Amino acid sequence: NAGVTQTPKFRVLKTGQSMTLLCAQDMNHEYMYWYRQDPGMGLRLIHYSVGEGTTAKGEVPDGYNVSRLKKQNFLLGLESAAPSQTSVYFCASSYRGKDTEAFFGQGTRLTVV
Amino acid sequence: KQEVTQIPAALSVPEGENLVLNCSFTDSAIYNLQWFRQDPGKGLTSLLLIQSSQREQTSGRLNASLDKSSGRSTLYIAASQPGDSATYLCAVRVPGGGADGLTFGKGTHLIIQP
Repeated sequence: NAGVTQTPKFRVLKTGQSMTLLCAQDMNHEYMYWYRQDPGMGLRLIHYSVGEGTTAKGEVPDGYNVSRLKKQNFLLGLESAAPSQTSVYFCASSYRGKDTEAFFGQGTRLTVV
Repeated sequence: KQEVTQIPAALSVPEGENLVLNCSFTDSAIYNLQWFRQDPGKGLTSLLLIQSSQREQTSGRLNASLDKSSGRSTLYIAASQPGDSATYLCAVRVPGGGADGLTFGKGTHLIIQP
């Protein structure tokens, strides 16, 4: 009963390095989202996808790229990490938008030094 | 732009008390409202989902109400236990940008004293 799984759970990067965060869901959901959570800021939407092969920008997309090559996976990439990207990243999925329930992964804690 | 506010930001009560957490939102045009629990260093666990047409939802000791016209929701926790200690987040799903993505409040940090 996996639900939404994020990999890795923790990571430390040096400024300028790149990495990819993986989100996988086994609920056959169409919609997937990436959020970041920062103290005092709450959760903010980075990018989202409404289906395989589609992606779009959310509230805070700068410095991130995403891909949805398979329906069950949503990847978040940092091409050149900056200290301002130190945060906890959450992936979420839902069957669709509108009235459906959102399910979240366990988060990835990323520190950029 | 939809804004979600949660009051209080922090709350500490003795075990056994009934308590109410508040959530308000500025735009009543929502699809639904969802309450989450977040334990330190963990992800978000969905507690209750209330559709815009509903007035309340119950799960065990938890009861959530929704008054869409006034832009308010409450989460009632009965007979609180130390295991209820966590941060509680409310979020509304709104039409439009972000694929009807959730807009979150900043949470209420709850401590139940044994």
